[in-house]
Amino acid sequence: GAVVSQHPSWVICKSGTSVKIECRSLDFQATTMFWYRQFPKQSLMLMATSNEGSKATYEQGVEKDKFLINHASLTLSTLTVTSAHPEDSSFYICSAPRAQNTDTQYFGPGTRLTVL
Amino acid sequence: KQEVTQIPAALSVPEGENLVLNCSFTDSAIYNLQWFRQDPGKGLTSLLLIQSSQREQTSGRLNASLDKSSGRSTLYIAASQPGDSATYLCAVPPATDSWGKLQFGAGTQVVVTP
Repeated sequence: GAVVSQHPSWVICKSGTSVKIECRSLDFQATTMFWYRQFPKQSLMLMATSNEGSKATYEQGVEKDKFLINHASLTLSTLTVTSAHPEDSSFYICSAPRAQNTDTQYFGPGTRLTVL
Repeated sequence: KQEVTQIPAALSVPEGENLVLNCSFTDSAIYNLQWFRQDPGKGLTSLLLIQSSQREQTSGRLNASLDKSSGRSTLYIAASQPGDSATYLCAVPPATDSWGKLQFGAGTQVVVTP
């Protein structure tokens, strides 16, 4: 079956540094990918839609200058958390629809970010 | 604005019992509803997807029903096993023009004891 990978699976960084998280579709092309954030004991919240070849679209309340998204190719989207602070510590998960005309989505395994 | 609620928040049952998980949503104009499973510290595994034209979907021991008019979906897991222990999430598109986007409920944490 289709697989979506994320790298790294976990990262610890100092406050003020930037962290890049990769999301890859391994055996299919994804022109659209989605980034979610999950705080402990809470559900997933959609952050943004990553579009190959165009700018990402952000959900209300998500700072686009803080969470930079680049859809570099048909199989890779990156999320960069810039000038990270402890409140950015969270579990970040990406998803990718199997195809444009399907509702089936595959989720990555997630990236645990801890900002000290 | 669409809101998704899952009840109960947590559930503990002995092995062999049937599980009933509830999901409700405020805007009935959805075109599908999905159920996912999440293991601790892991990503999501899709369990069932119900299109708006369907009333239920089945996969093995899992059965999900959908009643759009009342804004409810129920996930039934028959003859539970310890391996069913996980958090179960339901999700719907947040709006009619939001293909691919999902709005999740807070989940039901299930523990099946041997």
